[in-house]
This record gives sequence, structure tokens and C-alpha cells, in this order.
Amino acid sequence: KAGVTQTPRYLIKTRGQQVTLSCSPISGHRSVSWYQQTPGQGLQFLFEYFSETQRNKGNFPGRFSGRQFSNSRSEMNVSTLELGDSALYLCASSPLTMRSLYNEQFFGPGTRLTVL
Amino acid sequence: SQQGEEDPQALSIQEGENATMNCSYKTSINNLQWYRQNSGRGLVHLILIRSNEREKHSGRLRVTLDTSKKSSSLLITASRAADTASYFCATSSSNTGKLIFGQGTTLQVKP
Repeated sequence: KAGVTQTPRYLIKTRGQQVTLSCSPISGHRSVSWYQQTPGQGLQFLFEYFSETQRNKGNFPGRFSGRQFSNSRSEMNVSTLELGDSALYLCASSPLTMRSLYNEQFFGPGTRLTVL
Repeated sequence: SQQGEEDPQALSIQEGENATMNCSYKTSINNLQWYRQNSGRGLVHLILIRSNEREKHSGRLRVTLDTSKKSSSLLITASRAADTASYFCATSSSNTGKLIFGQGTTLQVKP
């Protein structure tokens, strides 16, 4: 199976702009999660989508949003970009089902966002 | 805020030596997982240990979990230069995609 893919891989934006990142999970995976990684804060959970519904949300401002489509592909959007939003944004999918016991994550390569 | 604390933050060893990394967490968990990350790339899942397990092996990896102390350790035996990477523990409190990551340990294996 193909792995998790993320587009674009690199992005440069200026403060105040908005950005949309895309993630295609492994075929058959219905859970998609997003994480932000920065040198200062490390890896932080943004949100998780399962069957098009947001199931978990991390402690991020409302400028960070996401959605999941019927084919499990997911997008995250950051509006009114700030310098501190510069980070590696990682998407992960998981073969979770309503009965599964394991929630190991399969990560994509990430999108490196730089805000100038 | 992150739940996990990892120790040491950095570790440098010679090829062939063993590497041990420790992780502590704060709240009750469903399972604990270890991931590897090479040079700011995506993370690779290494091993998952459930809260009712005490030890687990996978190839050269050995993970222990002590829920009474809220701690885990990852042992990499007979290390190789290719093991050079950052290693993260991640805890899960439910069977969802939400993981709480530790700060990570940067391992350098010198040839």
C-alpha cells in the first residue's frame, strides 16, 4: 500500500495570509490526525478526524481548522498566519475501527511551513 | 502541553553499544508507543506496549513499561550508524488517534 502523502512539502507564506495543507491517508485508514512540530514546543496534537467527524481537538486557537472528506483525505487550514505558526505539520493515519485496540500512527513526510 | 518527559535529551554512543532511553508520563494511559524520526522527516512507528504489558520485544528493540512509576524505557541493542535519529515516546489515553508526545531523545551512533 502507498504511504501517507502530504502536499505541498514546502510552503512559504507571509503573516496574515492563510494556508491549506492536504493529506492522503493510507488506503482503508479512516482516522487522520494532524500534529505540529516546532523546536520549542515539540510535537503537539492538533486534531483528529474519523469518518469525516472531528473526534479530538488539541489546544490550538480557532485559526487552525480541518476537515475530512468521504474518501478519508483530510485538509487543515490555518488562517491569519503568525510567525509562530512556522513549523513542520505532520499528518498521520491509523487503521482504527470502532473495535480496534491499536492506534499506531503512520506518518506522512510533513509539510514545512515558513511564515515570513 | 506535552505529557512525556524523555531522558536523556541527547545520547552519543559507538556502533555496537546499547542505547537506553527513558520516558515518563503524568496521567493514566491505554498504551505507550515509541517512534523514530530522521532529520525532521515523518515519524516511523517502532513499537506499541499496552498498559497491561510489562515488556515487549521487536528485533533489536526492547521496551519496558512500569505503570506504577508512569515510566517506560526503550533499549536498542547492538546499535548501528543507521539508528542515528530522534526517538519519541507517545502516550495514548484512548483508542483514538490522539497521541501525546515526549520531547524526544536525539541518538547519535558513531561508526
